[in-house]
Amino acid sequence: GESVGLHLPTLSVQEGDNSIINCAYSNSASDYFIWYKQESGKGPQFIIDIRSNMDKRQGQRVTVLLNKTVKHLSLQIAATQPGDSAVYFCAEGRSSASKIIFGSGTRLSIRP
Amino acid sequence: SQTIHQWPATLVQPVGSPLSLECTVEGTSNPNLYWYRQAAGRGLQLLFYSVGIGQISSEVPQNLSASRPQDRQFILSSKKLLLSDSGFYLCAWSPPRGADTQYFGPGTRLTVL
Repeated sequence: GESVGLHLPTLSVQEGDNSIINCAYSNSASDYFIWYKQESGKGPQFIIDIRSNMDKRQGQRVTVLLNKTVKHLSLQIAATQPGDSAVYFCAEGRSSASKIIFGSGTRLSIRP
Repeated sequence: SQTIHQWPATLVQPVGSPLSLECTVEGTSNPNLYWYRQAAGRGLQLLFYSVGIGQISSEVPQNLSASRPQDRQFILSSKKLLLSDSGFYLCAWSPPRGADTQYFGPGTRLTVL
């Protein structure tokens, strides 16, 4: 459902380690999924997307995994850097609809 | 390439005053347009979306309204602001088809006192 009224969970990761951010989506009919990164005071920025006919997609230092059986999405960030500190949102949508539904978000904190 | 603009960047308004936030998109035609609100430290709440000129869908009943007078212009308005209207307002656009990536503007920080 809509991410309203929920405080953000935080993931703390050592610089250089890999980060894994998880997301459970709600609608089994969703066929399009997106990860966004939001830095403080800025609008969300597109990172990577995946359609339901795939279970894995890789970008630069990021990988998205989709498990439709358990309605689970994850974002893996390799060799986490200080610039990766942000709030990360997953979003789900359907090809037949004009809107997407955002998850509640996870704050990624990097330890030096 | 496509760009999305929002203004103003920040706004401080007294309770009961009117509001008008503007969003414009360049470099695309017939985009889907969206208004979101984000409270501090929280997620994104979809307020309105539009698939064409004059077509507005409201997601949450409240004292806000939206209009789309031109293809690439989306306006968020209120006749009388409430304290609870404070937040970070984000406009987004997506290609004119089903669920697709939404691209966000820089946002407007609204404080109602």
